[in-house]
Amino acid sequence: GQNIDQPTEMTATEGAIVQINCTYQTSGFNGLFWYQQHAGEAPTFLSYNVLDGLEEKGRFSSFLSRSKGYSYLLLKELQMKDSASYLCAVLDSNYQLIWGAGTKLIIKP
Amino acid sequence: IAGITQAPTSQILAAGRRMTLRCTQDMRHNAMYWYRQDLGLGLRLIHYSNTAGTTGKGEVPDGYSVSRANTDDFPLTLASAVPSQTSVYFCASSDSIESSHGYTFGSGTRLTVV
Repeated sequence: GQNIDQPTEMTATEGAIVQINCTYQTSGFNGLFWYQQHAGEAPTFLSYNVLDGLEEKGRFSSFLSRSKGYSYLLLKELQMKDSASYLCAVLDSNYQLIWGAGTKLIIKP
Repeated sequence: IAGITQAPTSQILAAGRRMTLRCTQDMRHNAMYWYRQDLGLGLRLIHYSNTAGTTGKGEVPDGYSVSRANTDDFPLTLASAVPSQTSVYFCASSDSIESSHGYTFGSGTRLTVV
């Protein structure tokens, strides 16, 4: 079956750096997405990786290793507004998005 | 307002009743999706439409139906609601199924079946 694993919850301090990991086993691969979802709101697109390596976008970076079935989202200079759930999703060979259950990130002052 | 509009925002529904959740987008996206989100389970695909006039079943389609008569609208119907359909429902769209731009989500419908 298809599976995406990410930690359920993480805690970090304001101003620090946090890395949220995602491992996947899917039938085919056509890209990996990271989304941010604040409580009670809709998910919003953060990043897309289809080739190995690091994609940087401001304070957020996303890394992909296709051979290891692994990705991470790196958040720098954490702000209180970064408290949210972060969802990892993989586009499989049928172009269906397979979603992880999400990582709830708690930022403490 | 560019984006996806869902209605209603929330609803309490008696079991056995029929209900249609509305979804409209103005981005001329070809593909549209309906998800439900339950605590600890993440987003699960109910039905999808790759283009107007076509629909397909997702991971959890039982008890739900959809139609895609035009590009903009993608309503989701619960024929006879049951308590296990209590959830938050999100409609989403993308310019194509291969899109690297990700999905745009509506603000969601919180449905409680009692």
